[in-house]
Amino acid sequence: NAGVMQNPRHLVRRRGQEARLRCSPMKGHSHVYWYRQLPEEGLKFMVYLQKENIIDESGMPKERFSAEFPKEGPSILRIQQVVRGDSAAYFCASSPTGPSENTEAFFGQGTRLTVV
Amino acid sequence: GEDVEQSLFLSVREGDSSVINCTYTDSSSTYLYWYKQEPGAGLQLLTYIFSNMDMKQDQRLTVLLNKKDKHLSLRIADTQTGDSAIYFCAVDSGGYNKLIFGAGTRLAVHP
Repeated sequence: NAGVMQNPRHLVRRRGQEARLRCSPMKGHSHVYWYRQLPEEGLKFMVYLQKENIIDESGMPKERFSAEFPKEGPSILRIQQVVRGDSAAYFCASSPTGPSENTEAFFGQGTRLTVV
Repeated sequence: GEDVEQSLFLSVREGDSSVINCTYTDSSSTYLYWYKQEPGAGLQLLTYIFSNMDMKQDQRLTVLLNKKDKHLSLRIADTQTGDSAIYFCAVDSGGYNKLIFGAGTRLAVHP
């Protein structure tokens, strides 16, 4: 059973371009979480999704950022018109169950976005 | 909002014990976690403790929870060079895997 797969591992974008980060959860997991880690900081929660639904996006910036988790395929975190401050490591985690049931969330290895 | 604080650096000699401390503000957190991050890698869950426990031991790892003081610690016995990494304390918030992380403690193990 492969772990949480994120790609690309490293992504370089020029200011103003779009960044698309992909996350394939572990097999059988229908809950996906995105976190952002700025340099020298801990991870900050961004968004929690189930298949085709956004459950909690309280950590998402109001503009330029969006996330989806379609019925088929990976979850996508999309950042439009990137700026230098978007440079960070973006981690995805998945779990088999969600609210009211504690199960371990397994993290991917992250996508390191560099905006030049 | 919820806040999790950790000291940023810890240096220990190989073979000694390491103690990494963490304080948090949300008393309603149910689960408290310790994650390990090696350079350029993702996060590895080391251990977690349920909020109604005050201690959990797992091989070289001991987690202590003082719920009254909202203080969590991770003790690593017989610290090895392979333990050098950043250790994150995290608490749950919102009833699911919405985790609030500390900034991480960078553990350096020297001979």
